[in-house]
Amino acid sequence: RKEVEQDPGPFNVPEGATVAFNCTYSNSASQSFFWYRQDCRKEPKLLMSVYSSGNEDGRFTAQLNRASQYISLLIRDSKLSDSATYLCVVLLGNTPLVFGKGTRLSVIA
Amino acid sequence: DVKVTQSSRYLVKRTGEKVFLECVQDMDHENMFWYRQDPGLGLRLIYFSYDVKMKEKGDIPEGYSVSREKKERFSLILESASTNQTSMYLCASNTVAGTLKNRNQPQHFGDGTRLSIL
Repeated sequence: RKEVEQDPGPFNVPEGATVAFNCTYSNSASQSFFWYRQDCRKEPKLLMSVYSSGNEDGRFTAQLNRASQYISLLIRDSKLSDSATYLCVVLLGNTPLVFGKGTRLSVIA
Repeated sequence: DVKVTQSSRYLVKRTGEKVFLECVQDMDHENMFWYRQDPGLGLRLIYFSYDVKMKEKGDIPEGYSVSREKKERFSLILESASTNQTSMYLCASNTVAGTLKNRNQPQHFGDGTRLSIL
């Protein structure tokens, strides 16, 4: 399996802050990229796909840098409800998704 | 909405027992997966299946087997449960897309089964 590396954190940020996570992947042929969110003792859920041109969904922005083989997730105006573990996920063709171990975020009041 | 259903949220079994974890998806997905998740180790792929009666080993297949007799159902079997198999088990499914059916779509997960082996 190809590796996906993430900083495990935890990232402790105050409400309203902007926080960014990076994730690096080792296989330059990787085709698709996703961010999943996992709450404590729950299953992972798809947060957003990451497109080559970058994409935004409300307060969340995902970026892809193929040259440096990393993807990023930016969260603006953090809410308490954003506290979770964020999993970076990479896909190569018709093979199982490769998951990073996750970055833990705690948003503090 | 995709629904992936795992038969039990919590399960307690004894060492040496044969344990069955069931997973059913209702979206006619070709692919199904079994993972376990442990603190500090992330999600680790045990087995997966691309079609009925097909199975492929993941990263940690030892001590497990699987069965896919019907497209919607993928079963994980612990042949002789051991304490190091205490974990959270997650089932997932997805479909393929693309012109050549060569691109997996994001996976959808079940709620997970917390299995304790005593």
